[in-house]
Amino acid sequence: DQQVKQNSPSLSVQEGRISILNCDYTNSMFDYFLWYKKYPAEGPTFLISISSIKDKNEDGRFTVFLNKSAKHLSLHIVPSQPGDSAVYFCAPRRNNDMRFGAGTRLTVKP
Amino acid sequence: NAGVTQTPKFRVLKTGQSMTLLCAQDMNHEYMYWYRQDPGMGLRLIHYSVGEGTTAKGEVPDGYNVSRLKKQNFLLGLESAAPSQTSVYFCASSYLGGFYNEQFFGPGTRLTVL
Repeated sequence: DQQVKQNSPSLSVQEGRISILNCDYTNSMFDYFLWYKKYPAEGPTFLISISSIKDKNEDGRFTVFLNKSAKHLSLHIVPSQPGDSAVYFCAPRRNNDMRFGAGTRLTVKP
Repeated sequence: NAGVTQTPKFRVLKTGQSMTLLCAQDMNHEYMYWYRQDPGMGLRLIHYSVGEGTTAKGEVPDGYNVSRLKKQNFLLGLESAAPSQTSVYFCASSYLGGFYNEQFFGPGTRLTVL
């Protein structure tokens, strides 16, 4: 029962370019969508989120887009920096039920 | 503030042994959670607690028990460990549930069951 899919296990981009990480979900009951970032040997840390009543939320270099009709969200990082290299998880949720995608490993090359 | 801490960081068990993982948070959060992460998969919720003395099942609760005797601590128990429980376990806490609920995670416990 994979309700959340991140179809790209890995992504490599050049420093300064845009990174686009994608996430698809199947459960239309999700009403809040979060992105978490994880470095090796650490727990995930919250990055950015979006409510289902919005289609875009921006926080500095990070922007999340939500397309409810397509059940798709994406995370844009502009400009990408080497310190952004990590695993990114999308995590849609409804109440206490938060489901995580398998993650996308982003590598930003100097 | 230490945030969320987990004890131990690593553990190797034999099949059938029991153990308890301890999670502690110093942020006065009401909600606490236990997740497991397996290779190639996202985190999956095992159990959670919405306050001291309460617990509830998550997505994958079988084979685990939990207790929340104190607000700051959330214990995860394995009564009879199985190789399928080899995983990395993360604890998390949040101020409240519902909207705008950011969860803070501990560094994880890597458990191997032989």
